[in-house]
Amino acid sequence: DADVTQTPRNRITKTGKRIMLECSQTKGHDRMYWYRQDPGLGLRLIYYSFDVKDINKGEISDGYSVSRQAQAKFSLSLESAIPNQTALYFCATSDAQGGFPTLLFGQGTRLTVV
Amino acid sequence: AQSVTQPDIHITVSEGASLELRCNYSYGATPYLFWYVQSPGQGLQLLLKYFSGDTLVQGIKGFEAEFKRSQSSFNLRKPSVHWSDAAEYFCAVGATGTASKLTFGTGTRLQVTL
Repeated sequence: DADVTQTPRNRITKTGKRIMLECSQTKGHDRMYWYRQDPGLGLRLIYYSFDVKDINKGEISDGYSVSRQAQAKFSLSLESAIPNQTALYFCATSDAQGGFPTLLFGQGTRLTVV
Repeated sequence: AQSVTQPDIHITVSEGASLELRCNYSYGATPYLFWYVQSPGQGLQLLLKYFSGDTLVQGIKGFEAEFKRSQSSFNLRKPSVHWSDAAEYFCAVGATGTASKLTFGTGTRLQVTL
């Protein structure tokens, strides 16, 4: 099994629908992150969590919410999906060791909003 | 706030040729620098990182990068490219006091011709 697992891998949804992307990890890391990747824009941070009770907004949190259900699970929700949320979404984890965290990424979820 | 520039959107090299991907950062103090690679349909994989010490950093898959403070650069190099190196490459910078948030460049897509 992969260290960081994202489900689903691909999803097509309609405008206005609620959708949840799920992420689970087996590394025992405290820190988890959600990033969005758009062509030509690189990766941008949506939300991050340093433990179960610590949730923080990233640079593009509008239109998104998250839930940290357990140390190993971090979900991203789009309450009412819109077409410009079509993107590749990545979950990542890190520990708190050694100067600056090194991110470990999942394989991504490709979301299309029609 | 820190920022990262990858000037080359797309680079094509012949198999066996040398490679250099450029990365320039903006940050007032010593940054934490990373290179990640994203193969088609995959998540991001860490190639190498620089925190301190020796400015020439060795990574996986035969890659290396050199931190040059005077030029605010962290260019990625490989002496001889293999067809399997075709992917998208992201440079990222982290800084102290930013709650361990990474800022990514927009990526460079590498094409390898046989």
